Amino acid sequence: NAGVMQNPRHLVRRRGQEARLRCSPMKGHSHVYWYRQLPEEGLKFMVYLQKENIIDESGMPKERFSAEFPKEGPSILRIQQVVRGDSAAYFCASSDRVNQPQHFGDGTRLSIL
Amino acid sequence: GESVGLHLPTLSVQEGDNSIINCAYSNSASDYFIWYKQESGKGPQFIIDIRSNMDKRQGQRVTVLLNKTVKHLSLQIAATQPGDSAVYFCAENIRAGGTSYGKLTFGQGTILTVHP
Repeated sequence: NAGVMQNPRHLVRRRGQEARLRCSPMKGHSHVYWYRQLPEEGLKFMVYLQKENIIDESGMPKERFSAEFPKEGPSILRIQQVVRGDSAAYFCASSDRVNQPQHFGDGTRLSIL
Repeated sequence: GESVGLHLPTLSVQEGDNSIINCAYSNSASDYFIWYKQESGKGPQFIIDIRSNMDKRQGQRVTVLLNKTVKHLSLQIAATQPGDSAVYFCAENIRAGGTSYGKLTFGQGTILTVHP
């Protein structure tokens, strides 16, 4: 059973570029969550999606950030016009139902030059 | 705002000892709690969960205790091994209006170091 797959593992971008982070949930899971982690801190919720729908985006910045989970293919977290403050580890999790254990991928480490 | 927090940022134990990691939460609407283990360079790994209608749950070498009166959660690891060295996070899921949301709120984490 493949777990949650995230790619790339590491992503380097220059200020002003776009970053695209991909997440394939565990097989059979239709709920996807994105979290962000700064060094030596806990994870902060960004957005919760269920196939083709955004359920809760209360943790996502209003500008430059967007997320999708299409009917086919992985979930995408997109950051436009990146700034230094976007440098962090971005984790994706999935579950088969809400209020069930969320299983995490190994994250994408985003570095902004 | 209301959040999950940990009392001890670091914990050092000898191999074979039992470890206890504590977590305080302030939101009485939380109805589901999860403990995660995170090793360097990896994502959080699910350890054990507990719902608010329980006060104790046991897994393999781990036990989670929930005290709703004082809003306290603990993770007990029996016979701690060097491989248990990691950062441990508690996370809560808040129930509001009869609906449980998918959003987990994490504590800052406790670093557990196990010495051989």
